[in-house]
Amino acid sequence: EIVLTQSPATLSLSPGERATLSCRASQSVSSYLAWYQQKPGQAPRLLIYDASNRATGIPARFSGSGSGTDFTLTISSLEPEDFAVYYCQQRSNWPLLYTFGQGTKLEIK
Amino acid sequence: EVQLVESGGGLIQPGGSLRLSCAASGFTVSSNYMSWVRQAPGKGLEWVSVIYSGGSTYYADSVKGRFTISRDNSKNTLYLQMNSLRAEDTAVYYCARDRMSSGWYFDYWGQGTLVTVSS
Repeated sequence: EIVLTQSPATLSLSPGERATLSCRASQSVSSYLAWYQQKPGQAPRLLIYDASNRATGIPARFSGSGSGTDFTLTISSLEPEDFAVYYCQQRSNWPLLYTFGQGTKLEIK
Repeated sequence: EVQLVESGGGLIQPGGSLRLSCAASGFTVSSNYMSWVRQAPGKGLEWVSVIYSGGSTYYADSVKGRFTISRDNSKNTLYLQMNSLRAEDTAVYYCARDRMSSGWYFDYWGQGTLVTVSS
């Protein structure tokens, strides 16, 4: 089973600053990784798929990079609405299993 | 517009059963892969089950043998039958549409329905 480990657990930044979130896989997932944003009381929202592709309607300040085992979600200049929890996710085919990282909470400093 | 609306959650005693529904609009459930994902209070996301467009089903080990995913094509609705419920099944349950690009991701989610297993 592939394990996704996100760091840091909590990131405290101010609006306008740059945020860098990390997701590390226990074995290679090629570029098959997604990022989601979840705000309190809401469902997750797909931000990035295939490591670096923005989903429909996602602002350009969100970008993803990486391949293999190390991935990064970057928010270039934080807006007040970006403070939320972020999850990475992958799917393995054998055994069939979707896994999520434990999340990074991005909070206002 | 794609919409997913879950229902059927509530308070249930350990060992009991519950069926969750997820009504879809804006697309056809039977033509897509559809999943259930849950989130225990204050915790992260856990994938529960998927049903393929061809009808194959898969489950997380934590629910295998107790939960059953299904769909009603005439109602464009996804279901999750949950039996032998345990306290650790307490969570918000989301239905989500799977999309394949190079990998598989969840592009649309419902608002979730809360299941509380407690005596």
